[in-house]
Amino acid sequence: GQQVMQIPQYQHVQEGEDFTTYCNSSTTLSNIQWYKQRPGGHPVFLIQLVKSGEVKKQKRLTFQFGEAKKNSSLHITATQTTDVGTYFCAGPKRSGGGADGLTFGKGTHLIIQP
Amino acid sequence: ETGVTQSPTHLIKTRGQQVTLRCSSQSGHNTVSWYQQALGQGPQFIFQYYREEENGRGNFPPRFSGLQFPNYSSELNVNALELDDSALYLCASRSQGFGEKLFFGSGTQLSVL
Repeated sequence: GQQVMQIPQYQHVQEGEDFTTYCNSSTTLSNIQWYKQRPGGHPVFLIQLVKSGEVKKQKRLTFQFGEAKKNSSLHITATQTTDVGTYFCAGPKRSGGGADGLTFGKGTHLIIQP
Repeated sequence: ETGVTQSPTHLIKTRGQQVTLRCSSQSGHNTVSWYQQALGQGPQFIFQYYREEENGRGNFPPRFSGLQFPNYSSELNVNALELDDSALYLCASRSQGFGEKLFFGSGTQLSVL
């Protein structure tokens, strides 16, 4: 079945350093979504990418969708303590429509040292 | 705050028992899905309900079942609980036809002893 893999599993950074997490799918995706989960919290939607090669920015966060629509990345510039949490990528199991739910990666846990 | 509410927040059960978890969708959302999140893992899709019918299911056995009500609220039922069922159960709602962005509730932490 479809697999979504994320690396690294854990990332320790000093506050102010940059951070990148990578996501790879075993199948071509119609879209990819990113979620953030704070410790003890629930996943919160960050963004959805749909087009091949798409790049979107949200303040210090930059999201990319690969040309083959099988990989994606999230880059955070100049991390802050508020960025702490686990970042998940997720893709639909089929071509879209959502009926088969999303396949989530295992997430990258971002730990920031002040 | 997503507007998706779940109850209870925490629950302790013993192996073999049955449990019912509840979810109230965000206003205007007609589709609800349930996910299981084990410690340190990503959420895993259990099933989805649209117009009170299950229209999608992940790799979970039949002892995981659900309901959706006319007001779009939902229940997740798990029979014959096993130790491995211990996890955070997340309800997520969305509006069918308006993209696949999910709005998650705060979850129910289930512990099976």
